[in-house]
Amino acid sequence: DAGITQSPRHKVTETGTPVTLRCHQTENHRYMYWYRQDPGHGLRLIHYSYGVKDTDKGEVSDGYSVSRSKTEDFLLTLESATSSQTSVYFCAIRKQERSEAFFGQGTRLTVV
Amino acid sequence: GESVGLHLPTLSVQEGDNSIINCAYSNSASDYFIWYKQESGKGPQFIIDIRSNMDKRQGQRVTVLLNKTVKHLSLQIAATQPGDSAVYFCAEIAIQGAQKLVFGQGTRLTINP
Repeated sequence: DAGITQSPRHKVTETGTPVTLRCHQTENHRYMYWYRQDPGHGLRLIHYSYGVKDTDKGEVSDGYSVSRSKTEDFLLTLESATSSQTSVYFCAIRKQERSEAFFGQGTRLTVV
Repeated sequence: GESVGLHLPTLSVQEGDNSIINCAYSNSASDYFIWYKQESGKGPQFIIDIRSNMDKRQGQRVTVLLNKTVKHLSLQIAATQPGDSAVYFCAEIAIQGAQKLVFGQGTRLTINP
């Protein structure tokens, strides 16, 4: 398996609280991505990073922010969690010269 | 684990038959088109990719076809096995700039014994 880990794997939080999910890689890959996966919607891109401190928005970025202060870590923050952000979140990493991305095991987030 | 494909298009085939999964893509500027397989409770896993200047690429038991005229991508799986049951996603990426990796909706493939 590619060296990518997501933490936590499961989390239950209350509406209005901030939440941070972590994606950690040991592969030194340049590109990192955050997706959410919901029934009927496949994988939707939230934010992605093309280098340290270089990030951009995906198609469903509202209510989310990211930070990448070092190559190995890409953090996703829900500034004020809402029930609509209940989802499974996946992180992926990718080398610059390859199309292949490697995914973490996912984080199941429930906002109550 | 949770089913994330409750409302996905589905395809059921008999074990041993060939499967064809289709995908329409949106960005004519994409350089690579990729197929991923996702089993229940796991993250997607890379199967095969095809560069935009090709129209066919073969792997082990899989073939990907690209038709740029109608922006269509297909994955053919030969002699399907029970382990092929999964959700299959197409994805696309442009290898310039920030290199955003975007996924299509997905198709659930079920193999009947």
